[in-house]
Parts: sequence; C-alpha cells; structure tokens
Amino acid sequence: DAKTTQPPSMDCAEGRAANLPCNHSTISGNEYVYWYRQIHSQGPQYIIHGLKNNETNEMASLIITEDRKSSTLILPHATLRDTAVYYCIVRVARNNRLAFGKGNQVVVIP
Amino acid sequence: NAGVMQNPRHLVRRRGQEARLRCSPMKGHSHVYWYRQLPEEGLKFMVYLQKENIIDESGMPKERFSAEFPKEGPSILRIQQVVRGDSAAYFCASSPGLRDRGDYEQYFGPGTRLTVT
Repeated sequence: DAKTTQPPSMDCAEGRAANLPCNHSTISGNEYVYWYRQIHSQGPQYIIHGLKNNETNEMASLIITEDRKSSTLILPHATLRDTAVYYCIVRVARNNRLAFGKGNQVVVIP
Repeated sequence: NAGVMQNPRHLVRRRGQEARLRCSPMKGHSHVYWYRQLPEEGLKFMVYLQKENIIDESGMPKERFSAEFPKEGPSILRIQQVVRGDSAAYFCASSPGLRDRGDYEQYFGPGTRLTVT
C-alpha cells in the first residue's frame, strides 16, 4: 500500500472549517484513500473514503486532487469533540488490512 | 443496529496466565480484524478472519497468540502465557466484505485494555 504523509499536529479554531492535508504521491490507480480518527484511547472511527471523486457525508468532505497525489479532509465546523488523531490511509481493495501511521494530532481550540 | 462489541473492556492477568478477548462483529458483517495498540504507539494489524477461516495472520506474533472466528459465536483472540509486553489495547473491527467495487470500510469496537501484572 502507498505511504502517506501527514503533519504530526495542527490546531484548529472551534466553529471554523478544519482542513487536514495528506500526501500520497506514490498512490496507484486501484488504491482508495481512507480517513479514520481516534479520539483519546477509543476505537478508531471511520470518517470517509474515496477513489478519485470528491466525497461528502454527514461528518466530513474529502477532496482528492486530480492527479490523486494528495487529498484534504475537511471538517466543516470543527467542535471541541473533533479533537483526535486523524489517520489518512491508502489501500488497495484486495488488501484488507489498514496500515495506520502516526497520524495528525488535531486539537480544536475554543 | 449495534456496533462492534468487545468484551471484556478491561482485563488484568498475571504473567503466565491466559487472556481471551472476544469480538462480536456488526450485524451482517462476516469479516473480522484484530489490531493492537501498544502504549504510546500506533495501531498495528494482527490478523484478518472470515467465518471459520484465517485469511491473513501476517501481523500475529509467532508464538502464544492465536485467533479464531467460528461459524457460531464471537471471534476470539487468545494469548497464552501472557508477559508484561502484551499489555496493550486490542481493537477488533468488522466489515461487510468486498463489494463489487472492491472498497469497504472497517468499523471498530471500543477495545479491550489488557494489563499484565
């Protein structure tokens, strides 16, 4: 699976949109981009995934660049409860494991 | 629709004892995965199972660890003769399996915190 690069940490203002970047320059054509988050020591929570089109659900939006070498997770209105470690994972469909890196520690500030 | 269930949530074992961790997948899910998170470290894949089959156990330690997902009942992660280094959070995830497009998401349980004294 392709490797991803995320900033180790970032702060976001409560009520504002939070834009979380992820680089995956070696992504292959059959690899999906998945986002998960882990709040404190809870189980990871699925957020969203996509292949090449932008995706939106009730939690977030996923913007994938045209060349698919990077993506951005957007939390439209960050709340204090969005403070978590966010993981960007790239994976082929046939490989069922999720390879979690170090993630991005996002802190939402009042 | 209940999520992934894991029990116990906390488990304390003395060195040399056995630990059994249970995972009930979401309704309709036939694929189960186990991950381990050591203190201050990231999540590491351990094993992937379907009903009565181990699909990928490449992340499992070679000794003392085993996993099963029987036809009936929960998936079990078994650790024999536990040592202090086994102290960690063990997370189970489930998925509905491969769709036509080949993409799917995994849903995680709350984890079992194992402490070996």
